[in-house]
Amino acid sequence: AQSVTQLGSHVSVSEGALVLLRCNYSSSVPPYLFWYVQYPNQGLQLLLKYTSAATLVKGINGFEAEFKKSETSFHLTKPSAHMSDAAEYFCAVSFQGAQKLVFGQGTRLTINP
Amino acid sequence: GAGVSQSPSNKVTEKGKDVELRCDPISGHTALYWYRQSLGQGLEFLIYFQGNSAPDKSGLPSDRFSAERTGGSVSTLTIQRTQQEDSAVYLCASSLVGSAGGAEQYFGPGTRLTVT
Repeated sequence: AQSVTQLGSHVSVSEGALVLLRCNYSSSVPPYLFWYVQYPNQGLQLLLKYTSAATLVKGINGFEAEFKKSETSFHLTKPSAHMSDAAEYFCAVSFQGAQKLVFGQGTRLTINP
Repeated sequence: GAGVSQSPSNKVTEKGKDVELRCDPISGHTALYWYRQSLGQGLEFLIYFQGNSAPDKSGLPSDRFSAERTGGSVSTLTIQRTQQEDSAVYLCASSLVGSAGGAEQYFGPGTRLTVT
């Protein structure tokens, strides 16, 4: 079955440290991949998306993600965490031929001063 | 420009009552989506509109849930005979649509529904 999995429901890093949020998908055909961020009591904001043009995708707020077909992964990284990055992050997938997004369980990112 | 708007932002209703949730998409976006976000189930797809038709309504959890879209713009999600398990945040999104998916979806702030 087609699915998306985020490893770690809660990640905590120090300010200035590397942020790494993991996302894996299950599909025989590479899907479209997205990362969204949700701040408290707000809707979802698109950080970046992969649509097969380039394997390394740069997004807003200094985030980037790398698509690795062999690992069926699309992990999100940021070299240096900032306090304002504290939020919940969702990996989402649009499988070929479908318009709807299938979301991972979400990862809550906490930044320690 | 204006983003996706939803109303009301909060709705408290008694079990058994009907509720209507409204979504105004970004102007010019032909596709509109409803999702539900709850603690136990995460983010779930409900229904997708292309224009005024709904080619994918596979996520509607029961026949108590229905949605319509008029004029290729505003959409209303209706829940009849609400149950406590319907309590969630209902999110609407819109996009320009591609033929094979992959369109960027822009989300509204959501409607928090509480069924007492």
